[in-house]
Amino acid sequence: GQNIDQPTEMTATEGAIVQINCTYQTSGFNGLFWYQQHAGEAPTFLSYNVLDGLEEKGRFSSFLSRSKGYSYLLLKELQMKDSASYLCAVRDGDSWGKLQFGAGTQVVVTP
Amino acid sequence: DTGVSQNPRHKITKRGQNVTFRCDPISEHNRLYWYRQTLGQGPEFLTYFQNEAQLEKSRLLSDRFSAERPKGSFSTLEIQRTEQGDSAMYLCASSSRTSGGSYFGPGTRLTVT
Repeated sequence: GQNIDQPTEMTATEGAIVQINCTYQTSGFNGLFWYQQHAGEAPTFLSYNVLDGLEEKGRFSSFLSRSKGYSYLLLKELQMKDSASYLCAVRDGDSWGKLQFGAGTQVVVTP
Repeated sequence: DTGVSQNPRHKITKRGQNVTFRCDPISEHNRLYWYRQTLGQGPEFLTYFQNEAQLEKSRLLSDRFSAERPKGSFSTLEIQRTEQGDSAMYLCASSSRTSGGSYFGPGTRLTVT
């Protein structure tokens, strides 16, 4: 089985930076994913890390440390539209493709 | 539209009835997944196909649930004798070896009354 932990909620101001942490304990590992999900909508793929280090994609960056079982998603220059749930997911090394998700972090961006 | 599509988007049914959902993946993706999501939780894996072969089923998938992908393209998920605990959003996703991540459809929201 797997445990994937992330904070329940974070609040930040428009234009600021927010870092969402995710820790995981897995029997296997084949990549860590971050998804954004607006209320009532499907998750949207944001980023993917399989090797240690930082992946940058515009305003969003994701970091992975496999030895520590730790990842973070960094959201820069926050915009109101970034208010959403952010899901951390681990691809189980025993089964190609299947994802195990955390419960999600609700990010609230205030003016 | 080249994304993942799901039908219907909403389904309200009475307890004990059978329901069937359909998922059409991105055409070049050979992998298709079903997940279930309840309010305030992340999606939970249900089952997974590679082409037409069902490779894994979660313990969450009771005998009342069955999924098919007969021609390796679209997939159906059937729930027999629905229970109130089946009320959830049912999400379909697809991927390929080169797609990196899985891409989700809009989901089917099931309400069992």
